[in-house]
Amino acid sequence: AQSVTQPDIHITVSEGASLELRCNYSYGATPYLFWYVQSPGQGLQLLLKYFSGDTLVQGIKGFEAEFKRSQSSFNLRKPSVHWSDAAEYFCAVGASSGGYQKVTFGTGTKLQVIP
Amino acid sequence: DARVTQTPRHKVTEMGQEVTMRCQPILGHNTVFWYRQTMMQGLELLAYFRNRAPLDDSGMPKDRFSAEMPDATLATLKIQPSEPRDSAVYFCASGLWDRANQPQHFGDGTRLSIL
Repeated sequence: AQSVTQPDIHITVSEGASLELRCNYSYGATPYLFWYVQSPGQGLQLLLKYFSGDTLVQGIKGFEAEFKRSQSSFNLRKPSVHWSDAAEYFCAVGASSGGYQKVTFGTGTKLQVIP
Repeated sequence: DARVTQTPRHKVTEMGQEVTMRCQPILGHNTVFWYRQTMMQGLELLAYFRNRAPLDDSGMPKDRFSAEMPDATLATLKIQPSEPRDSAVYFCASGLWDRANQPQHFGDGTRLSIL
C-alpha cells in the first residue's frame, strides 16, 4: 500500500521569500503524485500533478514540483511567496489497487506568510 | 468552471438527530468520494462510488453512516443517529477514474457541528 509523509506540520516564510514544501511517498511502482491547496473554509484545489515524463512539473499560481525517484520525493516549490499563498498544502499519491484507484493524502503543511 | 456542489455548507444540530449531506458531482464524472476532515485525524476517506455503485466504504462507521448515489447527479451521506464525535468538515470529491492518473475535484465541504 502507498503512503505519503509531509514532515513539516507548519512553515512560516516571509513574503517574497522562496518556499519549498517537502513530500515523501512510499509505493512500489511509479506513483501518480498530486499537490493540493486548501484555503480556510474551502475544499482542496489541485495545484499540479505528475504522471510520467518530465520530472519538473508546473502548476497553477506559480508553483512547481520536482519528482525525484531516487529520494521518493515530490517537493513543492515557489520562488517568491505572496501573502495569498497562506493556506494548507496536501501532497497525495495515487495508485491502482485491486482494479480501482486509491489516493492517499498526506497530513498537510500549514503555510504562514509574514510581511 | 465546473464545480462540485455540496449542501448545506453548515449544519448545527443536536445529538441523536439525523443529518443528510448532499453532493452534486461535476457533470460527466463517474467517481464520487466522501471524506471527513478533523484536526486530529486529518483527511479520512469514508466511501467511494464508481458509476453510482459503492466500491469501498471501509472507512465509514457502518452502524450510523450510510452513503448512497440515487442518480448520477446526486450523492448523499447520512448520519443517524448523530453524535458529537461526528463534528467535522465533510468533503465530497468527484473525478474520472478510468485511468489511475486523474485528480479529484473537491467541493467546499459541509461543516457539521453536533451539540
